[in-house]
Amino acid sequence: QSVLTQPPSVSGAPGQRVTISCTGSSSNIGAGYDVHWYHQLPGTAPKLLIYGDSNRPSGVPDRLSGSKSGASASLAITGLQAEDEADYYCQSYDSSLSGSVFGGGTKLTVL
Amino acid sequence: QLQLQESGPGLVKPSETLSLTCTVSGGSISSSSYYWGWIRQPPGQGLEWIGSIYYSGSTYYNPSLKSRATISVDTSKNQFSLKLSSVTAADTAVYYCARQRRQLVPNWFDPWGQGTLVTVSS
Repeated sequence: QSVLTQPPSVSGAPGQRVTISCTGSSSNIGAGYDVHWYHQLPGTAPKLLIYGDSNRPSGVPDRLSGSKSGASASLAITGLQAEDEADYYCQSYDSSLSGSVFGGGTKLTVL
Repeated sequence: QLQLQESGPGLVKPSETLSLTCTVSGGSISSSSYYWGWIRQPPGQGLEWIGSIYYSGSTYYNPSLKSRATISVDTSKNQFSLKLSSVTAADTAVYYCARQRRQLVPNWFDPWGQGTLVTVSS
């Protein structure tokens, strides 16, 4: 049972827009702590996509965007491409646990 | 470009201690802006943060693993290490090391090492 809740899977056709949600509580996202997003291709290490709720590291396309409202955050991907098919994880800080927490992960399938 | 590389035994017997080292290259581990963390991923499952360390040696751990995990740092070798005691099959996972941004609270992990699979089996 992950502290941050993500849907197990989402899917979309090429060119479409998909969103992945990350729901927390008053001790993490709801407390205002930043949310970060990673994607993971099979057999590889996670890679940072979004940091500080909505910031993209250099090299991450602007098709990806992050947002936060209340105790939830979302990752949006527009212009879906086959290469976007991967597992996506959100991460934040939890004051009750005094540490970092991850969501359970969402598998994105490009139809 | 900063790189991290995990090393250590790929097979550990139940009840023994898992030991891994992460070697940092392309940058100094003695930076005031970062923690250095360990994260694991059991086969087919999600990510679990184990703990992180600052170059001064201060640590913080996942409460669920705190009693068994010890993270240490060797600034002279630009390395940090993980020891996990009394392992069981449930500790079988890919173990990643990563740099963690230090701000008001510990923040995002970037970059990550490639990961190393540790199997607990007799």
